[in-house]
Amino acid sequence: QKEVEQNSGPLSVPEGAIASLNCTYSDRGSQSFFWYRQYSGKSPELIMFIYSNGDKEDGRFTAQLNKASQYVSLLIRDSQPSDSATYLCASSIGNQFYFGTGTSLTVIP
Amino acid sequence: NAGVTQTPKFRILKIGQSMTLQCTQDMNHNYMYWYRQDPGMGLKLIYYSVGAGITDKGEVPNGYNVSRSTTEDFPLRLELAAPSQTSVYFCASGPGELFFGEGSRLTVL
Repeated sequence: QKEVEQNSGPLSVPEGAIASLNCTYSDRGSQSFFWYRQYSGKSPELIMFIYSNGDKEDGRFTAQLNKASQYVSLLIRDSQPSDSATYLCASSIGNQFYFGTGTSLTVIP
Repeated sequence: NAGVTQTPKFRILKIGQSMTLQCTQDMNHNYMYWYRQDPGMGLKLIYYSVGAGITDKGEVPNGYNVSRSTTEDFPLRLELAAPSQTSVYFCASGPGELFFGEGSRLTVL
């Protein structure tokens, strides 16, 4: 079974802090990994994807992938209240995508 | 460029009624997907398509049907609606990463 596990939270961090979101996956055949942000009542929007071991940075966001540990994380630096949302982790194998249940993040002003 | 367009955005059905959720994309993507999202849960794949004329079941296909006669359109048909089909439905297209429509909120009473 191709499972993607996330801590559902809620995770609360003060404004300006680093938020760390974690995700594990069960299928070693997983090829690419995605982080989506979903505001309440809205559709998921892609923040980042990563497919190679190591770190990938985009502005305030850093995705980290460790295939040996089957672990993916998302770091949000200088967290802003506008970052308050649910973050969905997803893996892909070929054209199939598998989603975690999401982690709810609240950034406190 | 509208991306992925879903209609209707909201619908209330009575038990036993049928309806079709429409999905259109203008990005010439071959891959299209239908997901449902229940409160506090991740996205569950209902059906997907890798191209016109080709569809396949996902994790939760029971009670639904799809067709893909063109690259642009991927309608989802609900037959004999049941309360368990109350959910938010998202259509998405790819490849590589998923672009989501705004969602269709369906209530079955």
